[in-house]
Amino acid sequence: RKEVEQDPGPFNVPEGATVAFNCTYSNSASQSFFWYRQDCRKEPKLLMSVYSSGNEDGRFTAQLNRASQYISLLIRDSKLSDSATYLCVVNRGGSYIPTFGRGTSLIVHP
Amino acid sequence: GAGVSQSPSNKVTEKGKDVELRCDPISGHTALYWYRQSLGQGLEFLIYFQGNSAPDKSGLPSDRFSAERTGGSVSTLTIQRTQQEDSAVYLCASSPPGTSGIGSSYEQYFGPGTRLTVT
Repeated sequence: RKEVEQDPGPFNVPEGATVAFNCTYSNSASQSFFWYRQDCRKEPKLLMSVYSSGNEDGRFTAQLNRASQYISLLIRDSKLSDSATYLCVVNRGGSYIPTFGRGTSLIVHP
Repeated sequence: GAGVSQSPSNKVTEKGKDVELRCDPISGHTALYWYRQSLGQGLEFLIYFQGNSAPDKSGLPSDRFSAERTGGSVSTLTIQRTQQEDSAVYLCASSPPGTSGIGSSYEQYFGPGTRLTVT
């Protein structure tokens, strides 16, 4: 089983839709969690950290479920500009080396 | 403020030649990472620096790959005797110190990458 797994998609949604992605991780010692977005042929950019209590940033909400070992990203009111690949990143406790998922592709269409 | 910069942005080289890729991290960031990403693939971890030392070189694919970091700032990744399978985008990222002022905050800020093509 891969350490971090994501559904590659693509998720094809209309503008204004709500879409959610999950990311599962296998190492129960994982401590830090992040979502990044990567546009085509660009570098990854930090989208948000994922806190134990869940956190929200505008239209984006991130949740952590330690019992089931997954994190989620919810995007409300999707915009065309949200089209990108969303990468899940996990750090094991005590390790500075992150593990990146392969990413979930989102396509928002008019 | 200035982000992470990398040079060159593109490099085309002949098989067997050596190449040197440069990364300028964000000022004050203590941790620096190198990754590579092949077309349509995920990020492959290469090496991590904390200050000038590299506690983890486990991702370097072969002894043709080496990296150094000087002055706790600029890093260079050197690939000797390049092969066609080395063709990829090489990404550098830096992280600020943790809240205690040591280690890393784990948040990574990426440079635009160097696209390496070995012909």
